[in-house]
Order: sequence, then C-alpha cells, then structure tokens
Amino acid sequence: AQSVTQLGSHVSVSEGALVLLRCNYSSSVPPYLFWYVQYPNQGLQLLLKYTSAATLVKGINGFEAEFKKSETSFHLTKPSAHMSDAAEYFCAVRAPAAGNKLTFGGGTRVLVKP
Amino acid sequence: DSGVTQTPKHLITATGQRVTLRCSPRSGDLSVYWYQQSLDQGLQFLIQYYNGEERAKGNILERFSAQQFPDLHSELNLSSLELGDSALYFCASSAGDGALNTEAFFGQGTRLTVV
Repeated sequence: AQSVTQLGSHVSVSEGALVLLRCNYSSSVPPYLFWYVQYPNQGLQLLLKYTSAATLVKGINGFEAEFKKSETSFHLTKPSAHMSDAAEYFCAVRAPAAGNKLTFGGGTRVLVKP
Repeated sequence: DSGVTQTPKHLITATGQRVTLRCSPRSGDLSVYWYQQSLDQGLQFLIQYYNGEERAKGNILERFSAQQFPDLHSELNLSSLELGDSALYFCASSAGDGALNTEAFFGQGTRLTVV
C-alpha cells in the first residue's frame, strides 16, 4: 500500500531562513505527489503538485519541491521564510494501487520566529 | 476561496445523536471526497463519490454513511455519535473521477464537537 511519511511534526525557523519540509513516499509505481498548506481554522490549499513533467516543481508563495525517485522523496523548500508561512503543511500522494485516492502524510507544523 | 462549500462550519451535539454534514463541490466537479482530521489520526480518507456513485472507501465507520445527489452535492451522515468522533470533517472535490494528476480542492471544514 502506498504511504507518505513526513519527518518532523514540528519545525521552527527564523524569519528569512530556509524552510525545508521532508516528505518520503512508498509506491511501487511512480506516484503523483502534492503539497498542501493549512492555515489556522481553514481548509487545505494546494501549494504545488508533481505530475512527472519536471522533477523541480514551483508552487505558490515562493515554495518549490524536488522529486527524487532514487530517494523516494519530495521535499518542500522555500529560500526565505516569512511570518505568513506559519501553518501546517501536508504531503500527499495518489497512486493507481490505492484507487487513485489522495493519501496524506501526518503533517508538519511550521513556526516562524521573528 | 476554493469553491467548495461546507455547512455548517461548527456543530456541537451530544453522544448518541445523529448529524448530517453537507458539501457543495466546485462547479463542474463530479467527484466528492470526505476526510476526517483529528489530532491523533491526522487526515483520514473516508469515502469518495463520483457522479452519484460510490467510487472508493477508506477508513469509514459503519455508523457513518454518505451519498451524492443528482445535483452533485454530498452529505455525510454520522450516527450514534461518540466522543471520539469529535474532529474536523473536510469535503473536497475534483474534476473527473480522481485521475492521478488532478488535485482536490478542499472546503473549510465542519468542526464537530461531541459532548
């Protein structure tokens, strides 16, 4: 069965510092991968998605993610954190073996320190 | 605004009761998904409907049921509620029946509190 693992349930970064959120997937076939962000008391919003067109994917709000098949990873980065980036981030995967449903990782909560 | 509308936003009810959560998908989207988000279980997929028919089932309890109506809105029915059912319930919609490269658009959720 496919699964998604996010390393670190909480990450604290200083404003202006690099944001790195880790996501590893397990799938027997190349999956489709997504990053969502959830701001307090809101629903999930798509940041970016990987659909095999390019391994480096750029998303909204300055975020990007790189698909590395050899490492089964899809880590999310942003060069310079902003206070407004404080939120919870979810990595998700779709794969045929799981009926195409979207399976989410446990989430990583980002705290941005001034 | 994702275009997915969920009502009500908040719901407080007693154990043993039954509630109905409603979801209107984005215009044109045929698939509706229901997810439960709780502190201990994270985001759990419950069920998917596509154009009125059940398409995929996840970790949905037998006390829970859902349906999608001809106008494509969906309802999630939760019965014999227990304290542990307290959670945020999300509805999402997508174009098509969940093709691999399509993202799901999420509503703002219904926060259910069982007391």
